[in-house]
Amino acid sequence: RKEVEQDPGPFNVPEGATVAFNCTYSNSASQSFFWYRQDCRKEPKLLMSVYSSGNEDGRFTAQLNRASQYISLLIRDSKLSDSATYLCVVTPTSGTYKYIFGTGTRLKVLA
Amino acid sequence: NAGVTQTPKFRILKIGQSMTLQCTQDMNHNYMYWYRQDPGMGLKLIYYSVGAGITDKGEVPNGYNVSRSTTEDFPLRLELAAPSQTSVYFCASSYQYNEQFFGPGTRLTVL
Repeated sequence: RKEVEQDPGPFNVPEGATVAFNCTYSNSASQSFFWYRQDCRKEPKLLMSVYSSGNEDGRFTAQLNRASQYISLLIRDSKLSDSATYLCVVTPTSGTYKYIFGTGTRLKVLA
Repeated sequence: NAGVTQTPKFRILKIGQSMTLQCTQDMNHNYMYWYRQDPGMGLKLIYYSVGAGITDKGEVPNGYNVSRSTTEDFPLRLELAAPSQTSVYFCASSYQYNEQFFGPGTRLTVL
C-alpha cells in the first residue's frame, strides 16, 4: 500500500459545481496534513492546512478523519481558475523529516 | 521577503557535465529540501537538511550531493549528468513540521 494515495483524476466539472477529493494515508502516527495546489509547470503552493476539527477557507473546506486515515478537500462554486493539480501532503512521524506527497488529483473546471 | 529562490530557471547539460543548482531562503527556516519531479509524476525527495552542517539522503540521492554551510543556502550538486536526471528540481524550506514553501524550480535537460 502506498503511504499516501490519491485518485489521479482528471475530474472534469462545470463552473459552479461542487467537487470533493479524498486522500488516504497509511501511517496512523502521521502528524500534520496539508493540501497543496500545483499549476502546470509551476511549484506547489500551500492551499490550506488540515486540522482535526476541520477547517474552511472561503470556498474550500478540509477535513481530517484519523480513525479512517483520510483527509478530504471540498471545493464549492468551482471557478475556471481552480483548474490545477491538488496534492495531499502528510508530514512525518517522529524520527524522520520526510514529507509524504501524494501524486495529485487533476481538476479541470469547464466553462 | 523573497521566500525561496532558485537559480538557474532553465539549463541544458551534456552527458557527463556537472552543475550546481542554487537555493536560498530568507525566512530563517531550519529545514530545507530538494525534490525532483518528472513529467506527470509526484515529487521525490533527493536530500534534506535540518540545519546548517546537517544533511541526509532522501528517496533518490544517487548522482547528487548537497551541502548546508548556512541557514539560508542549500545547493544541490549534480556530478556526471545523465539523461535520467532530466527533470524539474524544486527546493523547499519549512520551520520544522510546518508547511513547506517551494522555490519556482529549475528545469534541467540532459542530452
